[in-house]
Amino acid sequence: DVKVTQSSRYLVKRTGEKVFLECVQDMDHENMFWYRQDPGLGLRLIYFSYDVKMKEKGDIPEGYSVSREKKERFSLILESASTNQTSMYLCASSLGTESTYEQYFGPGTRLTVT
Amino acid sequence: DQQVKQNSPSLSVQEGRISILNCDYTNSMFDYFLWYKKYPAEGPTFLISISSIKDKNEDGRFTVFLNKSAKHLSLHIVPSQPGDSAVYFCAAIYSGNTPLVFGKGTRLSVIA
Repeated sequence: DVKVTQSSRYLVKRTGEKVFLECVQDMDHENMFWYRQDPGLGLRLIYFSYDVKMKEKGDIPEGYSVSREKKERFSLILESASTNQTSMYLCASSLGTESTYEQYFGPGTRLTVT
Repeated sequence: DQQVKQNSPSLSVQEGRISILNCDYTNSMFDYFLWYKKYPAEGPTFLISISSIKDKNEDGRFTVFLNKSAKHLSLHIVPSQPGDSAVYFCAAIYSGNTPLVFGKGTRLSVIA
């Protein structure tokens, strides 16, 4: 049973703080993704990674960076948090073969920036 | 430019009736489609998928239909149950290692 875990369910940070969101998957998946979900905007891709130390920008990378030092762990970094980054952040992983496109999601982190 | 569109933000259905959620796409390169279900404060969970070589896929109460010529897919839930109340996301992907492209979601409310 695939498990994707995220370090916090709820987080409150102040404007300007550096924020780390951690994601760990236990199924040896190649691919990992970070999304944010906002009402009326659906799931928007921030960054993704197909391999260790590799990263690709998604649709909305501005204000974010990522780190993937180990295959199972993908971190999202908000260098200087702003109020418009208040959102639900979702991490996902997938096997990365052409026959299985399914992504498995973590429970999400609700981040509030005040 | 939205490549995957769910034009109905919300849908209300009575318990026991059919729920039909629709999704349109613009990119003819997409060849695999997925539906996800999301409850509040939880991550999305995979529901059902369909390859572009098929026009229908069934799993219990859930059926997905694909009309490639119209670039349209739909998810049918029969019979609808109150526990089906959630946000449903349609997603599409090219062959190969590219990210899923998600629609904005449709909130389904099943009324007892």
